[in-house]
Amino acid sequence: KAGVTQTPRYLIKTRGQQVTLSCSPISGHRSVSWYQQTPGQGLQFLFEYFSETQRNKGNFPGRFSGRQFSNSRSEMNVSTLELGDSALYLCASSLRLWGENIQYFGAGTRLSVL
Amino acid sequence: KNEVEQSPQNLTAQEGEFITINCSYSVGISALHWLQQHPGGGIVSLFMLSSGKKKHGRLIATINIQEKHSSLHITASHPRDSAVYICAAGDNNDMRFGAGTRLTVKP
Repeated sequence: KAGVTQTPRYLIKTRGQQVTLSCSPISGHRSVSWYQQTPGQGLQFLFEYFSETQRNKGNFPGRFSGRQFSNSRSEMNVSTLELGDSALYLCASSLRLWGENIQYFGAGTRLSVL
Repeated sequence: KNEVEQSPQNLTAQEGEFITINCSYSVGISALHWLQQHPGGGIVSLFMLSSGKKKHGRLIATINIQEKHSSLHITASHPRDSAVYICAAGDNNDMRFGAGTRLTVKP
């Protein structure tokens, strides 16, 4: 069974640009969560999607958005990139919502904003 | 004060030693998770706990809901256990992460 797949693995952008990251969950998983990891802030929850609906949202500005498709694949978009958005963005999938079951993480997308 | 506190921040052990990593939380939770992150970023979910104790191979996780405390134990530690271990606690509306414990196991 394939794991959680995130694309691209690495990305370099400049300030002001926008970026879209993709996450394909494990087959059958309906919940997809996104996280940002930086050396200063550690791991922080961005948002969670379940059955194409955003169920939970962390404390991030509106520049960070996401969506989930009917096949449970999810995309995360960051508009008007700032230097501080440089981070490892991780996606995790699970059968049910976050608190109820094991999360399976992708390898992450490392975003560098120059 | 962070809502999820881990200790110690860094831990160095000799191969074969018994290791304990602690996590205290102040948020309400439906579950607590222990995650393992290897160099390069890959994260593996080790345990999801809502009560009691779970064991998987050499790893044991316990949680005391009344005391809002969880521990991760590694028996007979091995250099391949070297990683950052992260505690995550919360409910469906909000999940908070500890800063992580960097474990180095020397041969």
